Amino acid sequence: GQQVMQIPQYQHVQEGEDFTTYCNSSTTLSNIQWYKQRPGGHPVFLIQLVKSGEVKKQKRLTFQFGEAKKNSSLHITATQTTDVGTYFCAGPGYKTTDSWGKLQFGAGTQVVVTP
Amino acid sequence: GAVVSQHPSRVICKSGTSVKIECRSLDFQATTMFWYRQFPKQSLMLMATSNEGSKATYEQGVEKDKFLINHASLTLSTLTVTSAHPEDSSFYICSARNPGRDGYTFGSGTRLTVV
Repeated sequence: GQQVMQIPQYQHVQEGEDFTTYCNSSTTLSNIQWYKQRPGGHPVFLIQLVKSGEVKKQKRLTFQFGEAKKNSSLHITATQTTDVGTYFCAGPGYKTTDSWGKLQFGAGTQVVVTP
Repeated sequence: GAVVSQHPSRVICKSGTSVKIECRSLDFQATTMFWYRQFPKQSLMLMATSNEGSKATYEQGVEKDKFLINHASLTLSTLTVTSAHPEDSSFYICSARNPGRDGYTFGSGTRLTVV
């Protein structure tokens, strides 16, 4: 079955620095989604990428979907303490009739920000 | 919009008792809901897919008789942990997709502690 691998598992970042987390799949993905889970909280949807080579930005967050649709990355610039949490990639949600299928989550990248 | 309400947020129960967790979609209908389990500092592990009006689909290795799922209406799915044991202690989270939006919406999670 599909495997979604995510690295690094942990990321310690100095406030103001940039970092990137990577997600790789063993198979081609129809789409990939990114979620953020704050400590003690639940996952919150950030973005969905569908097209090959797609790049989307949300303020300081840049999401990219690889040309082969097998990998994705999340790049955060000028990290702030509010960026603390675990970032998960997940793919895909495939549509079957009127409902969407299950997600396969990556292991997540736990981000710790040092002031 | 796209709110999923999950209750209770925390529960402590004695070993051998059963615990019911509710997940409601507040402003949309969810024919399908997903139940996850998450151990500390780990990713989300899909337990089962809850289908309105039909039997749930369980992932490999998940005991159907232990984790009873009922999806009696388009807005409510319940997970009952039967005869709970300390090893069932975990963070349980539900999710659903609002057909009008990208991504999946997660409930706030239930932290179950079995003593």
